[in-house]
Amino acid sequence: EIVLTQSPGTLSLFPGERATLSCRASQSVRTGLLAWYQQQPGQAPRLLIYGASNRASGIPDRFSGSGSGTDFSLTISRLEPEDSAVYYCQQYGNSPSTFGRGTKVEIK
Amino acid sequence: EVQLVESGGDLAQPGGSLKLSCVTSGFPFSSYDMNWVRQAPGRGLEWVSYIGSSGKTMYSADSVNGRFSISRDNAKASLYLYMHSLRGDDTAVYFCARGRQCSGGNCYVDYWGQGTLVTVSS
Repeated sequence: EIVLTQSPGTLSLFPGERATLSCRASQSVRTGLLAWYQQQPGQAPRLLIYGASNRASGIPDRFSGSGSGTDFSLTISRLEPEDSAVYYCQQYGNSPSTFGRGTKVEIK
Repeated sequence: EVQLVESGGDLAQPGGSLKLSCVTSGFPFSSYDMNWVRQAPGRGLEWVSYIGSSGKTMYSADSVNGRFSISRDNAKASLYLYMHSLRGDDTAVYFCARGRQCSGGNCYVDYWGQGTLVTVSS
């Protein structure tokens, strides 16, 4: 199975700063079938990005995804306090679908 | 509004059984593939099981294969997970999840329920 390694483990930034989260796959993800989710404490995950770079419905344009093959990233261009959460990547191009362990974003 | 509401989570003994249910509304359930995804306390997400829209195609993770089975009732817009031979490492919040762009049982999830907690302990 494909192992997804997310880095950094924790990111601590000020409001307005730019956050770049990395998701590296142990082998190439078929046709960029990678999604990103945001999970706030005690809540279900929320879809942010699918197909590596497509924003889900209702997601602000400060969230963007990019990448292909084995290297993917999620960028939050201008952090807001409500962006404090854990972010997970998921590949769904190869069986079984797998998730990364998450990156925690803290807002100072 | 799309809604997914899970129930059935409980404390179970090792070796025991549980049935989880997910009642959905706000979308044509019979047109969508569905999944169960779990999250152990303080841990990440793990895909558990998939069922196609018609209920004819199912896949499960190796960790639960032969112990868990997924089913659906399109007339009731409901999804189920039958859990047997439960182990301590099955302890988790179980999410009902609507799949999109599914191929071979692999999907991304566009809607999630709030989850139901299964605790396996003696």
